[in-house]
Amino acid sequence: GEDVEQSLFLSVREGDSSVINCTYTDSSSTYLYWYKQEPGAGLQLLTYIFSNMDMKQDQRLTVLLNKKDKHLSLRIADTQTGDSAIYFCAELRFGNEKLTFGTGTRLTIIP
Amino acid sequence: DAGVIQSPRHEVTEMGQEVTLRCKPISGHDYLFWYRQTMMRGLELLIYFNNNVPIDDSGMPEDRFSAKMPNASFSTLKIQPSEPRDSAVYFCASSGGRYNEQFFGPGTRLTVL
Repeated sequence: GEDVEQSLFLSVREGDSSVINCTYTDSSSTYLYWYKQEPGAGLQLLTYIFSNMDMKQDQRLTVLLNKKDKHLSLRIADTQTGDSAIYFCAELRFGNEKLTFGTGTRLTIIP
Repeated sequence: DAGVIQSPRHEVTEMGQEVTLRCKPISGHDYLFWYRQTMMRGLELLIYFNNNVPIDDSGMPEDRFSAKMPNASFSTLKIQPSEPRDSAVYFCASSGGRYNEQFFGPGTRLTVL
């Protein structure tokens, strides 16, 4: 399909790992991104991955990319209350200059 | 760098009034994007510019919406006349980095009564 798909909601206990999933649309997409949006704020770039990579780690964040299934995930280790936000995945399609965003996943941390 | 700057942060106006939203991109970035975010429709791309030239305005909802970029450091999004259904958060973003990542401003929350 044309849409980048994400689950709308995810609840995780503080200290556990969060895994946010995304299915994108174009197997020729060059870059894939994860953005975080806190209440009342703009979208903040968390990390990106180039399409020829299958994993990228940055401190508590791990991005996994399965090109065959067009599946992207973001794992947040040791989830904290400050991780509460909406997380968007986005793809940059080959030959395109604009990003296609997913619907966003609202992450709620349970104390 | 201060990041992408948007003004005003909040705007409340009455139906029929003209609204102008402003954006200053990150210095050196050659792409500028205008988005609209609502609960019902999520994040929508309205228009984007490359080197001050509009490239794709297919997301602009109606002729009531117009956007300009007179120079590399300034862009406006104008709604005339405004309607209650235009109420949303409007974001400006710029890009020009090696990895095409977009950097977003804090947004303008528009309420049309």
